[in-house]
Amino acid sequence: EPEVTQTPSHQVTQMGQEVILRCVPISNHLYFYWYRQILGQKVEFLVSFYNNEISEKSEIFDDQFSVERPDGSNFTLKIRSTKLEDSAMYFCASSEDRGWNTGELFFGEGSRLTVL
Amino acid sequence: DQQVKQNSPSLSVQEGRISILNCDYTNSMFDYFLWYKKYPAEGPTFLISISSIKDKNEDGRFTVFLNKSAKHLSLHIVPSQPGDSAVYFCAAVTGNQFYFGTGTSLTVIP
Repeated sequence: EPEVTQTPSHQVTQMGQEVILRCVPISNHLYFYWYRQILGQKVEFLVSFYNNEISEKSEIFDDQFSVERPDGSNFTLKIRSTKLEDSAMYFCASSEDRGWNTGELFFGEGSRLTVL
Repeated sequence: DQQVKQNSPSLSVQEGRISILNCDYTNSMFDYFLWYKKYPAEGPTFLISISSIKDKNEDGRFTVFLNKSAKHLSLHIVPSQPGDSAVYFCAAVTGNQFYFGTGTSLTVIP
């Protein structure tokens, strides 16, 4: 069964360092997303990506964040200068063209980011 | 601004009984609602969904009810099994943006 894969599963970094989280969405999907969940809090939307550009982003997704689809398979989230409050589990998700289907999101297992 | 709310952070139910998880929303523009299940150290997995034009959708032991006038969504699990113990997130969709609740941790006691 096709699945969304994420690497690394856990990254520890020093405050101020750059981090890149990688995702391989399901191959025939067209919409890509990043969400995050700070420990004990809700799952928060960061950004959605369609047709090689950001379609929507939340207030959380400020200038320190960027996303890229460098090739036909990877979808990356870059955090330029990490802060302590960026420590969270980051989930990548993908979905088929929304159309009138279920709009179901398929999530990866998450990348835990710990900023020290 | 929390558009989707799950007011019960946790719920415990005896095996074999019904589990009822609730979700409230504020945005009348949501056109699809979904429930996701999440085990520790895993990503959320899709469970069941309902379109805003329906009031009920059933899939095996899982039934989702939608009350649009009350802006209320519920998930019923009957009968509950120990393997159902997980965190359940409701989500609402408008456009291609998903809004998630904070989750309800369900524990099914054998």
